[in-house]
Amino acid sequence: AQSVTQLGSHVSVSEGALVLLRCNYSSSVPPYLFWYVQYPNQGLQLLLKYTSAATLVKGINGFEAEFKKSETSFHLTKPSAHMSDAAEYFCAVSADYKLSFGAGTTVTVRA
Amino acid sequence: IAGITQAPTSQILAAGRRMTLRCTQDMRHNAMYWYRQDLGLGLRLIHYSNTAGTTGKGEVPDGYSVSRANTDDFPLTLASAVPSQTSVYFCASSRLAGVGNEQFFGPGTRLTVL
Repeated sequence: AQSVTQLGSHVSVSEGALVLLRCNYSSSVPPYLFWYVQYPNQGLQLLLKYTSAATLVKGINGFEAEFKKSETSFHLTKPSAHMSDAAEYFCAVSADYKLSFGAGTTVTVRA
Repeated sequence: IAGITQAPTSQILAAGRRMTLRCTQDMRHNAMYWYRQDLGLGLRLIHYSNTAGTTGKGEVPDGYSVSRANTDDFPLTLASAVPSQTSVYFCASSRLAGVGNEQFFGPGTRLTVL
């Protein structure tokens, strides 16, 4: 069995501030972990994925995530938020044939 | 541009009507998926297909059916729509089925059942 919990359904940050989105997973086998972004009225786009090669994963648009097995976490960060980062972000885990998604976190960026 | 197309973009449907959502990919991916997205629930898998000619049930398959006659197309049919099927539907594909494969998503179909 596998599941994902995203802590916080909404996050509001000021432009230039740190973005931190929290994701915890459960999996009975070593997981693959993903972060996807969804801009308004669009489909999901892959930001980054963890496949056990390195615990710190760099993605597109300046985002990165760190896999911490001891904490079963895969939190997403970006050092400096930009207005274009306003979107919904989904964490997902893959431990068998399918992806299991978290409920999502909506990010708003204040000027 | 390579990718996934979905049709229609949006639809309002009377309860009890039959509806087919279309999905086509041109990336020659083996695996395809249908998800529904509902507020506060994220995306939930409805049905999937690991390769042409095979299909499987996901997390929320009731009231939906799929077919995979060829590699490119993966239609989703609601035999008799109900209001609880109001949702945004996303089709996705991956090069291979199985653990760790990146899924690529279409733009979605917004369906309202009245």
